Amino acid sequence: EAGVTQSPTHLIKTRGQQVTLRCSPISGHTSVYWYQQALGLGLQFLLWYDEGEERNRGNFPPRFSGRQFPNYSSELNVNALELEDSALYLCASSSPGRRRADTQYFGPGTRLTVL
Amino acid sequence: GQSLEQPSEVTAVEGAIVQINCTYQTSGFYGLSWYQQHDGGAPTFLSYNALDGLEETGRFSSFLSRSDSYGYLLLQELQMKDSASYFCAASGGGADGLTFGKGTHLIIQP
Repeated sequence: EAGVTQSPTHLIKTRGQQVTLRCSPISGHTSVYWYQQALGLGLQFLLWYDEGEERNRGNFPPRFSGRQFPNYSSELNVNALELEDSALYLCASSSPGRRRADTQYFGPGTRLTVL
Repeated sequence: GQSLEQPSEVTAVEGAIVQINCTYQTSGFYGLSWYQQHDGGAPTFLSYNALDGLEETGRFSSFLSRSDSYGYLLLQELQMKDSASYFCAASGGGADGLTFGKGTHLIIQP
């Protein structure tokens, strides 16, 4: 069974540009979560999508947005990039169920560098 | 909202036992999870506690006390490959997702 996949693996952008990151969950998983992990820091929750809807978002500005497609894959969009957006962006998925958020399976991440 | 506190760094010796503590303040708490992350890698799920008590999975065990808002991860027979960051994470009710602690960097010395 394939795990969570993310693309691209690495990305270099300049300030003010826009970026789109992609995530495909494990087959059968309906929830997708996005996290930002700046160098040496913990995981900061960005967004949670389930069944195509945004269920919750973390304390990030509106220039961070995303969506989930009917096949449960997801995109994270970041507009007007700033230097501090440089980080590892992790996507995770979980299966349907009452406590599905408890066990999340992470993809390898996308390393974004903003110059 | 939720917040979790864990030590930033713990050092132990190969073959020994180490305990990583986690305290939390949450609303609508469901349970406590633990994740391992090696440098440059993605977090991987280790264990989950919804009820009080100890859960054992091989060399790793996790404990939860809901009345004390406290949990810990216990690693036995430490191996050099266990050198990594360990995160506790709390799940809550409603539309909350998963909130992670800042992580504990485990250093294992030979």
